[in-house]
Amino acid sequence: DVKVTQSSRYLVKRTGEKVFLECVQDMDHENMFWYRQDPGLGLRLIYFSYDVKMKEKGDIPEGYSVSREKKERFSLILESASTNQTSMYLCASTSLGGLEWYNEQFFGPGTRLTVL
Amino acid sequence: AQSVSQHNHHVILSEAASLELGCNYSYGGTVNLFWYVQYPGQHLQLLLKYFSGDPLVKGIKGFEAEFIKSKFSFNLRKPSVQWSDTAEYFCAVNGYSGNTPLVFGKGTRLSVIA
Repeated sequence: DVKVTQSSRYLVKRTGEKVFLECVQDMDHENMFWYRQDPGLGLRLIYFSYDVKMKEKGDIPEGYSVSREKKERFSLILESASTNQTSMYLCASTSLGGLEWYNEQFFGPGTRLTVL
Repeated sequence: AQSVSQHNHHVILSEAASLELGCNYSYGGTVNLFWYVQYPGQHLQLLLKYFSGDPLVKGIKGFEAEFIKSKFSFNLRKPSVQWSDTAEYFCAVNGYSGNTPLVFGKGTRLSVIA
C-alpha cells in the first residue's frame, strides 16, 4: 500500500512564527505536491516538485516555500505565519513513468494548521 | 488556464435515491479526468478516472461517471446511495500530455439521510 504521511495532524502556531510541515512518501514517487483545502474553495495547489531539488509554483505560492532534499520527503515552509494561512494542508505524491505518468495521486491525512 | 466547475455545493439525499453530481471543465486540449472522495476524517481517495476509450467509467463502491466531450462534462452517478456515501466529492482534471498537476473543483458535499 502506498503511504503518504504528514508530520502532524493538528498544529497551532502564533502569527510570525516559522512553520515547517513535513511530508514523506514510501513508494519512490517522483512527483510530490502541496495543497491547501478550505471550505467552499476545494483544493488549491501551493507548490509541486518533479524531482529532488526541483520545485514549481502552483496557483497560490505567496507566503510559502518548499524544500525537497530527498526524493521521499517534501517540506512546506511558512516563513512568517499569518492568520489567513489557517487551513488544512494536504500532501500528495504520484509516480512518473511510461504511459502511466498520469497515475493516481495518493494523499496524506492532512495537517490542520491554526495560526493565532 | 484549466478550471473545473462543480455545480452543487451541498446535496442532501435520502437513502436509495439516485445521485448525479455535475462537473464541467475548461481546457483547450485532451484531458484526464478524476473523481476523488473524502469521507469524514479520512484521506482523499480516488473513486474513478478517465484517460481514454469508453467514456462510461466505472469506479469503486458502485459509482460511475460519463465523459461527454462535446459538453466538457464528467458527471458522477450512483443509482442508489447509502448512508455511508456521505462525504465530500471532488472532480479534477489535468492535461493528457505533459506532467501537469491536477486542477480540482471546489467540491460537493453529499449528505445521505436515513
